[in-house]
Amino acid sequence: VQLHQWGAGLLKPSETLSLTCAVYGGTFSGYYWSWIRQPPGKGLEWIGEIDHSGITNNNPSLKSRVTILADTSKKQFSLRLTSVTAADTAVYYCASGYDIGSGFDIWGQGTMVTVSS
Amino acid sequence: QSALTQPASVSGSPGQSITISCTGTSSDVGSYNLVSWYQQHPGKVPKLLIYEVHKRPSGVSNRFSGSKSGNTASLTISGLRAEDEADYYCCSYPGTRNLVFGGGTKLTVL
Repeated sequence: VQLHQWGAGLLKPSETLSLTCAVYGGTFSGYYWSWIRQPPGKGLEWIGEIDHSGITNNNPSLKSRVTILADTSKKQFSLRLTSVTAADTAVYYCASGYDIGSGFDIWGQGTMVTVSS
Repeated sequence: QSALTQPASVSGSPGQSITISCTGTSSDVGSYNLVSWYQQHPGKVPKLLIYEVHKRPSGVSNRFSGSKSGNTASLTISGLRAEDEADYYCCSYPGTRNLVFGGGTKLTVL
């Protein structure tokens, strides 16, 4: 299984971040699909997840701004983060695991998103 | 949810063993056997080394091992090699369908 992600890399404050991740070579069902981010020079932060049935869970610290959706027919899932600020500047990764807490064994290549006026 | 606590840096010489600690609380590390560890080289994607405290994914060297005692999880790297120089992150499930990472530990191979 491979994950390939894409989306806009430069945003202005207050805009909406939008990223998509496609699953290649495997099934969409039976796994949990997450988004994780890493600000420059800092550690990892879990953003949220979606399963094949569309059930989502998000990090409480970001919950109100985050929407994660899945298109099972295309084997894709997406992240929307509204009202971005400079603090949202980070490398964003999509990742998968067979359950939350079981470890992310497959990662996308990462997308650097910069928020700047 | 607070981040898990890891030492900012550790170091060791080739061939030695080192241990990186990851301290959480009774609500996360202490409550669930759902601790994972990741290795990240500069500019690269994180790689899963250990999951569910001590399990190794296929292809990961048995030089990497994980354990847990109380609210602290540990990653041990034995037979240290130059290529082990990287950042290491722990991750734990704190319940309520959430995840928390440690701040990361920079390993220097002397």
